[in-house]
Amino acid sequence: NAGVTQTPKFQVLKTGQSMTLQCAQDMNHNSMYWYRQDPGMGLRLIYYSASEGTTDKGEVPNGYNVSRLNKREFSLRLESAAPSQTSVYFCASSEDTYEQYFGPGTRLTVT
Amino acid sequence: AQSVTQLDSQVPVFEEAPVELRCNYSSSVSVYLFWYVQYPNQGLQLLLKYLSGSTLVKGINGFEAEFNKSQTSFHLRKPSVHISDTAEYFCAVSDTGGYNKLIFGAGTRLAVHP
Repeated sequence: NAGVTQTPKFQVLKTGQSMTLQCAQDMNHNSMYWYRQDPGMGLRLIYYSASEGTTDKGEVPNGYNVSRLNKREFSLRLESAAPSQTSVYFCASSEDTYEQYFGPGTRLTVT
Repeated sequence: AQSVTQLDSQVPVFEEAPVELRCNYSSSVSVYLFWYVQYPNQGLQLLLKYLSGSTLVKGINGFEAEFNKSQTSFHLRKPSVHISDTAEYFCAVSDTGGYNKLIFGAGTRLAVHP
């Protein structure tokens, strides 16, 4: 039982490049989330998926797209990376208990 | 809309001393409240949560928090800290309407010194 896994752990991109961050959970949770963490700002919700087949914007969705591929997987795509997207990205999942389970994070640097 | 204010960005404390990490929130609707802990280079882990019922909530690792609706606060306390409690602590709120979208505070870095 791995919980929530994220790949890659680290990534360096040049401005304008694209990439997809992968997230998978093995807890059969309905809801999944993508956050970004920046110093002094806590975590901010980018997108979430309340159930398979649905996605909705969070606080800071601009510059990102998501796909809920199936119940297990929820990917985050940066189409044209910008330095302002340098951050640590966390994926999380939850069920009715309202506890969110977080992955280990992806540290992204855009130069 | 909800917001969360963590009143201290850093809290230094000596080992075995008590500690309180302060959290205030604002919301026009009923809320659920959470404290998460993040150890260096790791994801977040739930310490405790308030959903309903008793306003004093006990969590893991000896932490507890008290929900005060009139003061819109949810302060985290531990009577005696250990070196291993050194971490960043996040207070978070979600409305009770569903989807569990969390709004986080900026975090408080707890540094426990020997």
